[in-house]
Formats: sequence, structure tokens, C-alpha cells
Amino acid sequence: DAGVTQSPTHLIKTRGQQVTLRCSPKSGHDTVSWYQQALGQGPQFIFQYYEEEERQRGNFPDRFSGHQFPNYSSELNVNALLLGDSALYLCASSLFREGYLSYEQYFGPGTRLTVT
Amino acid sequence: RKEVEQDPGPFNVPEGATVAFNCTYSNSASQSFFWYRQDCRKEPKLLMSVYSSGNEDGRFTAQLNRASQYISLLIRDSKLSDSATYLCVVNTGRRALTFGSGTRLQVQP
Repeated sequence: DAGVTQSPTHLIKTRGQQVTLRCSPKSGHDTVSWYQQALGQGPQFIFQYYEEEERQRGNFPDRFSGHQFPNYSSELNVNALLLGDSALYLCASSLFREGYLSYEQYFGPGTRLTVT
Repeated sequence: RKEVEQDPGPFNVPEGATVAFNCTYSNSASQSFFWYRQDCRKEPKLLMSVYSSGNEDGRFTAQLNRASQYISLLIRDSKLSDSATYLCVVNTGRRALTFGSGTRLQVQP
């Protein structure tokens, strides 16, 4: 049973560039959430995708965008990179159940992005 | 005020000790509560969900006090392998998880 996978594991970009991160959810899961974790902080929610639509968004600018594909995998895109975007980007998968508002989320190993 | 507050530690304890972590949350509408464990430079891993009645999983016991908006995690008989950062996590009924900044535990031989 494959867990959550993410690619790439590490990435170095220059200010102003654009980046795309990828995530495949755990087998049987249909919902993907993205989080940003700065050093010494807990993860911060970016957004969540279900049925190929963004269902909820955290306090992140429009430079952060995403997509979910029919096979439930997801991408996170960040445009016009800033130095402050350097962080660990985590993908979490879960299974949506109608009427059940909270459910456990399982995290992938993350992509460590460094912006220089 | 942060939505979820934790003592950052570090907590340095000897093997075999009992250690307790506390966490407070600000949103009284919060519905679900979790403890995650995160090893250095790794992803958070779900340790346990926290229920109103309290729950136990081996050496780990979690308690929830909704009136005081307070969550705790107790680790008995600490092992070296328990060294990690423990993240208190709250869900308000929407889809996002809200994390505390974590409490670092270092178990020493």
C-alpha cells in the first residue's frame, strides 16, 4: 500500500522564478491538502483539493495555485518566487466522507524548496 | 494570539521518565484534535487522535478539556526513540488542520 509521495525532494530556485511541486495521495484517498512549513514552525495550510476543485484556501497570496487531476494527484505552483517562500512543502492526503467534517490526514515526505 | 499554542521546549528527560505536553487552542468551535510527531527534517506523522473521554495507546495518553480549551499528551517510560517534535493539531470543522509550533522532546540515556 503506497503512502503519499512527493516530487522532487529538493529544489533550488532563484527569486522571480516559478516552481511546480507534485503529490500522489495514499491509495484509496481522494483529497489532497498542501501545507508550507518554515523552519521552527508548524505547517501552515495553503489549500485543499477535492473532486479537482479548490475547496478551501488558507492565508496565502494568489501566487500560490494548484490543480488536482482525475487520478487524485495534485500539483502546487508558486509564481514569482520570493526568498520567504523557502520552506518545506508538505502534501497531505485524506478520504472525504459526506457529512464528516474532520478526518485524519497523512503527510508525504515533503519538498524542500530553497529560493536564492 | 496564535490559534494553537504550545510550549516550544526543549524538554530534556532521562530514559524511563514520564513527560507531559500541554496545548491550548483559541477557537471554541474546534471539533477534532490530534497529536502528530515530527522527526528532524521529516514529515509529520499522526500519533493519535484525541477524544473527549481521553484515550490511551500504549505508553501514550491524550486528554481533552473542551471547557478550558486544553489538550495534553502524556508519555510514560520515555525511550530514546521518542525524541522528536510533538505537534498539537486542531480542526475547526473546516478542511484545514491548524498546527501548533511544536514541542521538542529530547530523551537522554
